[in-house]
Amino acid sequence: GQNIDQPTEMTATEGAIVQINCTYQTSGFNGLFWYQQHAGEAPTFLSYNVLDGLEEKGRFSSFLSRSKGYSYLLLKELQMKDSASYLCAVRYSGYALNFGKGTSLLVTP
Amino acid sequence: GAGVSQSPRYKVAKRGQDVALRCDPISGHVSLFWYQQALGQGPEFLTYFQNEAQLDKSGLPSDRFFAERPEGSVSTLKIQRTQQEDSAVYLCASSVPRGTSGKMESTDTQYFGPGTRLTVL
Repeated sequence: GQNIDQPTEMTATEGAIVQINCTYQTSGFNGLFWYQQHAGEAPTFLSYNVLDGLEEKGRFSSFLSRSKGYSYLLLKELQMKDSASYLCAVRYSGYALNFGKGTSLLVTP
Repeated sequence: GAGVSQSPRYKVAKRGQDVALRCDPISGHVSLFWYQQALGQGPEFLTYFQNEAQLDKSGLPSDRFFAERPEGSVSTLKIQRTQQEDSAVYLCASSVPRGTSGKMESTDTQYFGPGTRLTVL
C-alpha cells in the first residue's frame, strides 16, 4: 500500500501556528494534495505540491520533500473556523487520489 | 459557479435493498470520481470516468457496486443488496484539464461534492 500517515488529532490555540505532517511511500509519486474537511461537508482543496519546496497561499503553506516522502501543511494565525479535518492525499499512477486518514485539528480560544 | 452536487444527502436503507446515489459534477468537467469515506477515515477511491468512459473501477469493493455516466455528465452509483458494511459517506469529485491541450493530467485538482451519507440497517 501507499502508507500515507498523518497524526490523528492535534490541538492548537487561536492565533498560533500549527504544522500537520504527512509521510508517504515515495515509489511512483506523482503529486500531493491537501484538503480541508469540516464535519458533514465536502473536502475543499487547499494546496498542491509536486516539486520540492514551499508553496504559500495566504495563511496556509505546504511543503514537500520528495526524497524523504514528507510533506507538511502550515497554518498561521489560527482562527476558530480552522477547526476541521485536514486530509493529505497522494497521487501515484493514474488519476485517483490516495488519502491518509486525516488529522482532526481543534483550535481552542 | 455551482459546485459538485449530490443527492440524496442522506439515505437509510434496510439490508438487502438497492440504492442509487446521484452526482452532478461541475459543468464542463471531464473527469468524475467516486470515493467511499468511512467514519473517521480518509476517502477511498472507488471508480473514475473520463466523459462517459469508465476508465478505472479497481476500487469497487464487490460486484454489488455499479457506476455509470451515460452522457458524460451526471453519474449514478448503484449498490445492490446493501450490507451493513456499505454504511459510509459516498463522495463524488470532478475535475477539468488544467492545461490548454484539453487532455487530462494527473496534476488536475479534484473538486468534491458534500457526499451522500448511507446508513444500512
